[in-house]
Amino acid sequence: ETGVTQTPRHLVMGMTNKKSLKCEQHLGHNAMYWYKQSAKKPLELMFVYSLEERVENNSVPSRFSPECPNSSHLFLHLHTLQPEDSALYLCASSQWRGDVNTQYFGPGTRLTVL
Amino acid sequence: AQSVSQHNHHVILSEAASLELGCNYSYGGTVNLFWYVQYPGQHLQLLLKYFSGDPLVKGIKGFEAEFIKSKFSFNLRKPSVQWSDTAEYFCAVETSGTYKYIFGTGTRLKVLA
Repeated sequence: ETGVTQTPRHLVMGMTNKKSLKCEQHLGHNAMYWYKQSAKKPLELMFVYSLEERVENNSVPSRFSPECPNSSHLFLHLHTLQPEDSALYLCASSQWRGDVNTQYFGPGTRLTVL
Repeated sequence: AQSVSQHNHHVILSEAASLELGCNYSYGGTVNLFWYVQYPGQHLQLLLKYFSGDPLVKGIKGFEAEFIKSKFSFNLRKPSVQWSDTAEYFCAVETSGTYKYIFGTGTRLKVLA
């Protein structure tokens, strides 16, 4: 059983909808991540939060908007997405201690944009 | 730019066969290395990791990996696979001291019973 949970597990939305993905970690970690997993492509790092501050925005379009209200919760707000945004969105967390950074992943949200 | 290559995209083996999955990376500095596994319908799970010390690391479920610095490689091995090892395997490299993982494209392993 993973210490990182994600909801919903599946989401279908139209291009004009607004929805949010939620991630919660129960591991006491201080860093959280959003990744995009598309078929036949490497996992792509989207956003990184460390101690609730965004430290990385990996050239992600503005239609994806992250929010990290505290060290245990991470959201990804979605609006006016495109069909090519359909993918598995993974959340991860880690205890960032300088030279050691092992990430633990949630089960993902399978997003389909119609 | 840093990259991670997993040359075997699909591997099919019979039970009890030996497994070796390749992973090569392009970065000349100090790295941390990981192998993750994703079983069908499940989340990414850590198999093993290397930070320092003995370059031969042992992970869960009988897997091991060897870091060969001169070859920029971190190949995953298992002497005898089982049907339950059917999964997708991902190699990841972190530049030591950062939070950025660079993932390979993954290798789909199918083990025939």
